[in-house]
Amino acid sequence: EVQLLESGGGLVQPGGSLRLSCAASGFTFSIYAMTWVRQAPGKGLEWVSTISGSSSSTYYADSVKGRFTISRDNSKNTLYLQMNSLTAEDTAVYYCAKKRRELPSSAHLDYWGQGSLVTVSS
Amino acid sequence: EIVMTQSPATLSVSPGERATLSCRASQSVSSNLAWYQQNPGQAPRLLIYGASTRATGIPARFSGSGSGTEFTLTISSLQSEDFAVYYCQQYNNWPPWTFGQGTKVEIK
Repeated sequence: EVQLLESGGGLVQPGGSLRLSCAASGFTFSIYAMTWVRQAPGKGLEWVSTISGSSSSTYYADSVKGRFTISRDNSKNTLYLQMNSLTAEDTAVYYCAKKRRELPSSAHLDYWGQGSLVTVSS
Repeated sequence: EIVMTQSPATLSVSPGERATLSCRASQSVSSNLAWYQQNPGQAPRLLIYGASTRATGIPARFSGSGSGTEFTLTISSLQSEDFAVYYCQQYNNWPPWTFGQGTKVEIK
């Protein structure tokens, strides 16, 4: 059974940093691209970042480019999102999700974690 | 960037009735279109991919159709657990991978 478990969310002050983790199990982690998607309170889904299985390719939404860094440790089956220079607009539930195939194939998100809430406030 | 537009924003339907949700892409996404369901307080879950293929475990009352720029999600007979928010997402032209703004299906 595929499981994705996010952790690391919490309350952080504007300008601060936070690192989210997503522990994966139930599939061969290293051969699938992984994605972070966020959802601000009461809003829709927003793609944040995607990384290939080998970490050779990374992609970011314009809204987070230069501030967020996606990475993965295939030996630990774990996905990360390092978030720096946080603002109130980054307040959201952050979901990690598995892509159905490795990049550069076009693929949907077939499994999602339960989400981790990040609140940016003074 | 491909913009995904869903309509209507809210759909009021009685249990047992049919619901039809629309998703339009600003340019062709071929059949690289997925639908996700999100119940309150829960993570999204995959319903449909490839515009018309049901994901594992998804009941047959859910069906998807369309290609290019016009897509439809149909729920043939609404059950209580189907009242939720539905999102479409294109994965044809990326980055970015873009979602629609969602359609809320509520009880009439």
